[in-house]
Amino acid sequence: AQKVTQAQTEISVVEKEDVTLDCVYETRDTTYYLFWYKQPPSGELVFLIRRNSFDEQNEISGRYSWNFQKSTSSFNFTITASQVVDSAVYFCASDWSGNTGKLIFGQGTTLQVKP
Amino acid sequence: EPEVTQTPSHQVTQMGQEVILRCVPISNHLYFYWYRQILGQKVEFLVSFYNNEISEKSEIFDDQFSVERPDGSNFTLKIRSTKLEDSAMYFCASSPDLSGYTFGSGTRLTVV
Repeated sequence: AQKVTQAQTEISVVEKEDVTLDCVYETRDTTYYLFWYKQPPSGELVFLIRRNSFDEQNEISGRYSWNFQKSTSSFNFTITASQVVDSAVYFCASDWSGNTGKLIFGQGTTLQVKP
Repeated sequence: EPEVTQTPSHQVTQMGQEVILRCVPISNHLYFYWYRQILGQKVEFLVSFYNNEISEKSEIFDDQFSVERPDGSNFTLKIRSTKLEDSAMYFCASSPDLSGYTFGSGTRLTVV
């Protein structure tokens, strides 16, 4: 079965700490896309990143970085020097069988960054 | 920056009533979606729409649900006879070419 698992339900850190959010996926497809979305307390879904299954290069965007490892079926997200504004629910998602637009989301990880 | 607009932001309706949730996707986008999120749970795919027809739908999207793009700009989700379990946040999303998906801010539907 195709599935996205975010085992961490809630994480709490103190500002300026680094934090890694885990995402593990299951699929038999060779072509797929992986995403991360942020859902702040206001409720909207904010796109963070999209990676395809053929590109295992890690990506860095400011304080955010993503580690994609096909060998462990993981697509982890690290926030460096966390800030209070990073407090949100973070969802990992996948679009199996290539581009279809049917995103399968994980359960989400609630990140609380305390001052 | 272009955005997907959803109205209303919050709707309360009585069980059994019909409700229409409205979305205005980004103007040059071709692919449209509805997702829902029951409070505290994950986001779930409902339906995708392309070229004026449904391209895929989930098990959740039963005969009580329908979608329409009536005028080339709006994209609506209709629930014919709402149930208590339809209470959720409903997100509309659009994409120009399946390379990325922009979500709206959501409509919180409360069925009482």
